[in-house]
This record gives sequence, C-alpha cells and structure tokens, in this order.
Amino acid sequence: GAGVSQSPSNKVTEKGKDVELRCDPISGHTALYWYRQSLGQGLEFLIYFQGNSAPDKSGLPSDRFSAERTGGSVSTLTIQRTQQEDSAVYLCASSAQGFPGTQYFGPGTRLLVL
Amino acid sequence: AQTVTQSQPEMSVQEAETVTLSCTYDTSESNYYLFWYKQPPSRQMILVIRQEAYKQQNATENRFSVNFQKAAKSFSLKISDSQLGDTAMYFCAFSRLEYGNKLVFGAGTILRVKS
Repeated sequence: GAGVSQSPSNKVTEKGKDVELRCDPISGHTALYWYRQSLGQGLEFLIYFQGNSAPDKSGLPSDRFSAERTGGSVSTLTIQRTQQEDSAVYLCASSAQGFPGTQYFGPGTRLLVL
Repeated sequence: AQTVTQSQPEMSVQEAETVTLSCTYDTSESNYYLFWYKQPPSRQMILVIRQEAYKQQNATENRFSVNFQKAAKSFSLKISDSQLGDTAMYFCAFSRLEYGNKLVFGAGTILRVKS
C-alpha cells in the first residue's frame, strides 16, 4: 500500500514568509509525528497527534511553529515569519497506534530559507 | 532527559564483510524501546531493527542483528555480508514507554560500503 507522503519535496522561501508543509499518513494510522532534521541540531521531535486527543506540542521550537491535523488524517505544519535557522528537512511519520507502534517515515520536505 | 550517543561519525566496510555500529544511551527508565533506522540519500527513514528493553534476547532481522547490553546502556548494530545498498546514514533511537513514544535520535553514523 501507499506509504507516508509529504509535499512539497523541496521548498525555497524568503526570510519572513510563511510556509505550509503537508503530510499524508498511511491510511488507518492514528498516530502522526513531525520531526526536524538539521545540520546543527540533528533529528528533533516537534509534535505528535494521536486520534482526537490533544497533540503533544512539547518539541515545537517557538510560537512561529504550529500544526494541525484535519479529520484525523492529513496534517499541515505551518511556519510563520520564517528565519534562516528554520532551514532543515522536515520529516513526518505515522504509526498504527501511538504506542508502541513502529513509526513509518515519509521522504521529508527540504526547506531552505534565504 | 534521555540522550543517545553515536560516537562514530563515519565508517566504511568492504562489500561482503561485517561491520558494527556503536550506540550508547542514557536513561533512568527500566523499560523502553531502542531502534536502528537507516536513511539512504533518498532521505526516506527506514526501520532496520527494534529491541524491547525487557527482552534479554537480541533482536535479529536477516543480515542485521543487535548486541543489547542493558546494564552498560549499549545497543550496537551488526551488519553481516555488507551490500552496496547498505550505504546510508544509520540512526540509533530511543523511545520511552509513554504516550506518543516520540523518538530521541543519536547524531547518526554514515556507513559507506565499498566494492
């Protein structure tokens, strides 16, 4: 079946602009995660959604970052007023259950802020 | 907070040979999960192998096996009969037994398999 998909694959934006990154999890997976992969910080957890429960936002680096998950499926990660330090690969993962399900990752969105 | 350390930034191995990637972690938990993920140049993170801390038996998946030393907080990955397709970045990751089981990753080890 189809895996986790993310769009766009690459995004170049100017400092100060807003960007939206999309994640389509594997059908039927109730848990969805966002991670960020950057040269300076490695792989970091950002946010976690499980069904209709309140998300775990403990990894979001600032209030410029937000995410939503509509209808328990597609998720959008929004970065407002982008900064150069936001340049990174943003990875989405889903699992069939929050715990202890194996996380399946998408190919990521590479974001470059000029 | 949990930390995961991979002390080998880069490794290389000849095709068909065996290589071991190191990983240590720090936690006060007694039950948890450990993972090895592979990330080839395509960026797609792929689960290689998973170990539950309460299991004493080391996990194996075909050519991949782990040496899990709970007391030493060590979790190394052994790749036997290395293949060119094994060339990738390998990440060790830790997950608590908690709501969400978010992953804590090490810095990664670049593995190059040479022909």
